[in-house]
Amino acid sequence: DQQVKQNSPSLSVQEGRISILNCDYTNSMFDYFLWYKKYPAEGPTFLISISSIKDKNEDGRFTVFLNKSAKHLSLHIVPSQPGDSAVYFCAASPINTDKLIFGTGTRLQVFP
Amino acid sequence: KAGVTQTPRYLIKTRGQQVTLSCSPISGHRSVSWYQQTPGQGLQFLFEYFSETQRNKGNFPGRFSGRQFSNSRSEMNVSTLELGDSALYLCASSLEPLGTSGGYNEQFFGPGTRLTVL
Repeated sequence: DQQVKQNSPSLSVQEGRISILNCDYTNSMFDYFLWYKKYPAEGPTFLISISSIKDKNEDGRFTVFLNKSAKHLSLHIVPSQPGDSAVYFCAASPINTDKLIFGTGTRLQVFP
Repeated sequence: KAGVTQTPRYLIKTRGQQVTLSCSPISGHRSVSWYQQTPGQGLQFLFEYFSETQRNKGNFPGRFSGRQFSNSRSEMNVSTLELGDSALYLCASSLEPLGTSGGYNEQFFGPGTRLTVL
């Protein structure tokens, strides 16, 4: 049972344009949502997080939006750069637990 | 400050064997979590250790076990290996467990150990 879903396995975007990565979840008991970025042969690196009490969090070129009624979150990258090419995982943390539940990832390719 | 280190980086085993993977967290970090990454399932939580105690466990069979030492270093053991255990095993450390302090404690991941079971 996949509680966190990333339905798009890949996304291709032109440099300078906006990249939108989507994530859906089924458990309403998540209190934190996070995005991680992963390059080949490296571990995931934390990008940005959002608490369930907020609907938007922004950090430089990265903005995460949370729509609790739709159980949906998205990561916007503006403007996209070739160095953003990587696999992006969304993750959610259930309330009062110490674990993260990850989605299956979306491979983003930013081309010149 | 050194990051999370995992040894070995690559490992090849045969079915039925057992394997032990090691993780050294960032200095000062006391919480260590383990994840399994496979192409079809993404990253799946295995377990978390804090102060030498397992705090949480994912949905994996008992063949998967772990422990944490007093210096916060952690090991993960898989016994009676199966072909389906081939995966990238990632370790992540954080200052405190995720669910404490009323907020989120950022996890830092190591590069992983690539296990291949033949």
